[in-house]
Amino acid sequence: QVKLVESGGGVVQPGRSLRLSCAASGFTFSSYGMHWVRQAPGKGLEWVAVVIYDGTKKYYTDSVKGRFSISRDNSKNTLSLQMNSLRADDSALYYCAKAEGQLLETIDFWGQGTLVAVSS
Amino acid sequence: SYVLAQPPSVSVAPGKTATITCGGNNIGSKNVHWYQQKPGQAPVLVIYYDRGRPSGIPERFSGSNSGNTATLTISRVEAGDEADYYCQVWDSSSDHLVFGGGTKLTVL
Repeated sequence: QVKLVESGGGVVQPGRSLRLSCAASGFTFSSYGMHWVRQAPGKGLEWVAVVIYDGTKKYYTDSVKGRFSISRDNSKNTLSLQMNSLRADDSALYYCAKAEGQLLETIDFWGQGTLVAVSS
Repeated sequence: SYVLAQPPSVSVAPGKTATITCGGNNIGSKNVHWYQQKPGQAPVLVIYYDRGRPSGIPERFSGSNSGNTATLTISRVEAGDEADYYCQVWDSSSDHLVFGGGTKLTVL
């Protein structure tokens, strides 16, 4: 069965960096796009970024463009999110999520999330 | 950027039908997907490509999409359906995935 396990969250000061990882199993990782989606406490879902199956195309929500970088290692079935210049409004539960099918446009499996808190 | 509008809350009695709407400019030309999120849990895909049901999702869940409104319908609502529901599209003009603000379904 599909399993997505996020790690790397924690408390970090504004302006610092953090790297999230997601270990994937139970499916052919190299065949699917992968998303990061976040959810601030008590708020709705916010899409962050996506990378296509081979890592050659990446898309970001406007608020993280230039600060966050999504990447994948298909040899290790791992998805990453490098987060730089963190701000208080980046505080959220970050979900790793698998794209459904060959397109990027929807998500069929989610991890349980890793919590990021940006605070001085 | 593309915006999806959902009512913040919907209430329904057990056994009745719940209707949750998702409004967007010409949303009928896009594929709409719906997620259910219960407290403390990750979201679950309940409807994809307007009206498809993933494996394991009860037939009580159905979807439609036309014009400027997509709709998630839950028939014979049960207490276990109480959750937040989010609609979602892929905006190909910006290559962004977009979520609606979410609707909290309360079963009375």
